[in-house]
Amino acid sequence: GQSLEQPSEVTAVEGAIVQINCTYQTSGFYGLSWYQQHDGGAPTFLSYNGLDGLEETGRFSSFLSRSDSYGYLLLQELQMKDSASYFCAVRGNTDKLIFGTGTRLQVFP
Amino acid sequence: DAGVIQSPRHEVTEMGQEVTLRCKPISGHDYLFWYRQTMMRGLELLIYFNNNVPIDDSGMPEDRFSAKMPNASFSTLKIQPSEPRDSAVYFCASSPTTAFVSTEAFFGQGTRLTVV
Repeated sequence: GQSLEQPSEVTAVEGAIVQINCTYQTSGFYGLSWYQQHDGGAPTFLSYNGLDGLEETGRFSSFLSRSDSYGYLLLQELQMKDSASYFCAVRGNTDKLIFGTGTRLQVFP
Repeated sequence: DAGVIQSPRHEVTEMGQEVTLRCKPISGHDYLFWYRQTMMRGLELLIYFNNNVPIDDSGMPEDRFSAKMPNASFSTLKIQPSEPRDSAVYFCASSPTTAFVSTEAFFGQGTRLTVV
């Protein structure tokens, strides 16, 4: 089967850096993705890592270590609007797109 | 493109009634997913289609749930009869084959279902 584990909640202040970890277990592996979801909204795609290493997109970066079945999302220069839930997701060899349990990020002024 | 369109946005129904949720995926997308989101269980994959064909429905909780995709531009998720524990937000998402590896999926705004 497939499973992904994330911390349930993370808090930080504006301007800070926060890291959200994700460990996964899957049969087959096509890479790790991250989604953002604001309260009352729909999940939106943030980033994807197919190979080991760091991918950077503006203030957000995502990292993957396939040997450790581990990845993280790094958010820099936090803003109030970054307060949301963040989900890691994988697609294994069954084609299913499975999401992690989600991490609620609260940014304080 | 207007994105993935779901209807209705909100649905309140009485226990035992039939509920039908609708989804129009983004034109040209080959994959369509139905998810259910609750505080307790997070985002659960219910079923997904590839080129209108149901591929995996192992996430459908019970026989009360059924899903169809009669053509490339329309899908339904039906619950009959509905129960209070079905209360959740139901999301439809679509994805093009070209994004298969990147796992980028585009979500609709969801249908918030309340069964009383």
